[in-house]
Amino acid sequence: GAVVSQHPSRVICKSGTSVKIECRSLDFQATTMFWYRQFPKQSLMLMATSNEGSKATYEQGVEKDKFLINHASLTLSTLTVTSAHPEDSSFYICSASAPLAGGQETQYFGPGTRLLVL
Amino acid sequence: AQSVSQHNHHVILSEAASLELGCNYSYGGTVNLFWYVQYPGQHLQLLLKYFSGDPLVKGIKGFEAEFIKSKFSFNLRKPSVQWSDTAEYFCAVRRDSGYALNFGKGTSLLVTP
Repeated sequence: GAVVSQHPSRVICKSGTSVKIECRSLDFQATTMFWYRQFPKQSLMLMATSNEGSKATYEQGVEKDKFLINHASLTLSTLTVTSAHPEDSSFYICSASAPLAGGQETQYFGPGTRLLVL
Repeated sequence: AQSVSQHNHHVILSEAASLELGCNYSYGGTVNLFWYVQYPGQHLQLLLKYFSGDPLVKGIKGFEAEFIKSKFSFNLRKPSVQWSDTAEYFCAVRRDSGYALNFGKGTSLLVTP
């Protein structure tokens, strides 16, 4: 159980175009999803927290107009990189919180999306 | 703000050696603690977690971790590593359910045959 999928797994786009990344919780409902960015050989940096039916909360330094997040249902959150530039090339990872017995809510991670902007 | 420190960035061990990876955090209140593993080319997987109770927690694949509140530490251990344990290991901390995770920089473990 607690499987999170991401689509696409990798995408190459031209500078100036927009790219949408989907994150789905396959076997549970996630009221909260998180979007992270991982640079090569580095840790995960939180970009934003996404709650179903409300606006996402962005971390300091993350442009909300550039990284649009929509959490329309309890199983789907999308991240749209608008007007992508080469510096946006990165590995984007989502996670979804799964409520477990005893209140031990745990985050499960998607496989990530490799974005390359040319 | 919380910070998470993983002291060892790169560790190389021979098979059957014992492993201990350090993790310290800065937040003073109640915390939830996690260790995740990322095998080459794969996504993050949960190894183990601590919320409350017995400070010695056992996870998958023979891993365990000990929460020492006085030292703000949550070190990961395995008595005998295998080649298949080669991976990146991340310690993560959060204040409570619903909050995002703060990750350490990760430790790259290479186990040689």
